[in-house]
Amino acid sequence: AQRVTQPEKLLSVFKGAPVELKCNYSYSGSPELFWYVQYSRQRLQLLLRHISRESIKGFTADLNKGETSFHLKKPFAQEEDSAMYYCALQTGGFKTIFGAGTRLFVKA
Amino acid sequence: NAGVTQTPKFQVLKTGQSMTLQCAQDMNHNSMYWYRQDPGMGLRLIYYSASEGTTDKGEVPNGYNVSRLNKREFSLRLESAAPSQTSVYFCASSEQAGGATQPQHFGDGTRLSIL
Repeated sequence: AQRVTQPEKLLSVFKGAPVELKCNYSYSGSPELFWYVQYSRQRLQLLLRHISRESIKGFTADLNKGETSFHLKKPFAQEEDSAMYYCALQTGGFKTIFGAGTRLFVKA
Repeated sequence: NAGVTQTPKFQVLKTGQSMTLQCAQDMNHNSMYWYRQDPGMGLRLIYYSASEGTTDKGEVPNGYNVSRLNKREFSLRLESAAPSQTSVYFCASSEQAGGATQPQHFGDGTRLSIL
């Protein structure tokens, strides 16, 4: 079955600490993976996608096909990173499966 | 710079009533989607429209119908609302280019409560 698992509902870190939001997926095909973010009072928006292999707002995510993971990382968390983060798996071009989300809270 | 616009933002219905949620995008995107989000769960795809004139079922289509009115607009209809359809509904759009996967752009959501 196709599935995206984000094991942490809430992650709380101090400002300046490293942060890692976990995402594991289950899919037999070639995965297309995304991280979306929703800041307070804003729309859900794309943060980054694995195919781009880029760093956005200091965040990176590496696709590990062996471990079927796509964890989101940032070496030094900032208060403005506090938001809801969703990992998403796109299958067949049009169908996207979202994880339940992780709320990141960065404490001053 | 509206992007994806959903109306209404909030709605309360009684069981058995019908309602249409409206969605419009101004980005000239080919593909549009309707999701629902329930507490503690990720977004689940209800229906999608790969291009103007086509619609297809997603993961949870039962109890819903959709219409792709034109390239800009994609509406979601609840014919006979049930309490189980209480949720937050999101519309999204994406540019589909030759089968390449593109990210989705989301609206603000519609919070729907059915009593």
